[in-house]
Amino acid sequence: DTGVSQNPRHKITKRGQNVTFRCDPISEHNRLYWYRQTLGQGPEFLTYFQNEAQLEKSRLLSDRFSAERPKGSFSTLEIQRTEQGDSAMYLCASSATDRGYGYTFGSGTRLTVV
Amino acid sequence: GQNIDQPTEMTATEGAIVQINCTYQTSGFNGLFWYQQHAGEAPTFLSYNVLDGLEEKGRFSSFLSRSKGYSYLLLKELQMKDSASYLCAVRGGGGNKLTFGTGTQLKVEL
Repeated sequence: DTGVSQNPRHKITKRGQNVTFRCDPISEHNRLYWYRQTLGQGPEFLTYFQNEAQLEKSRLLSDRFSAERPKGSFSTLEIQRTEQGDSAMYLCASSATDRGYGYTFGSGTRLTVV
Repeated sequence: GQNIDQPTEMTATEGAIVQINCTYQTSGFNGLFWYQQHAGEAPTFLSYNVLDGLEEKGRFSSFLSRSKGYSYLLLKELQMKDSASYLCAVRGGGGNKLTFGTGTQLKVEL
């Protein structure tokens, strides 16, 4: 069990550019979640997958955001035409079941839009 | 929808006991979680309650009252390394996602 892995750890981009983040969950976990966290706030839910199916999306996830999990393993989160308000920590988490002990989080990708 | 309230900041002394409260309103309830988050790091799981009562795990305990929409996290024998943000999260509304509070920043002093 190597935990949940996220890449890159840090990303600085210019406003208007597109960025893509990757998450590799714990291998036996079939559920994968994306959250966004800004300074002084708790994580905010963005979307989640069960296997390759995207089952729920937050209204926070505008049409500039898209997430995929093509083979039910790793996932990508893309932000198009980045805005300064997109600057945040993007956290990925995975779990094996919808009951029990919650999620295991990755270390996150910190995005700074300049 | 779901609403979660917890104090923004707390300060306590090394070796003491501190209780961090969390109240919630949710359209459905399927578990309450506590996470610890050090600055710049990912949240790490501390405890889970789905039935009323106290769950104890070493220096950490968590209590739940579903009828009151209330939980607390109790930390005993505080250590400097316990200085962190403590996040209360609720699973409910018929889905699987966790809704987090804003977190309580705990500072442990000598």
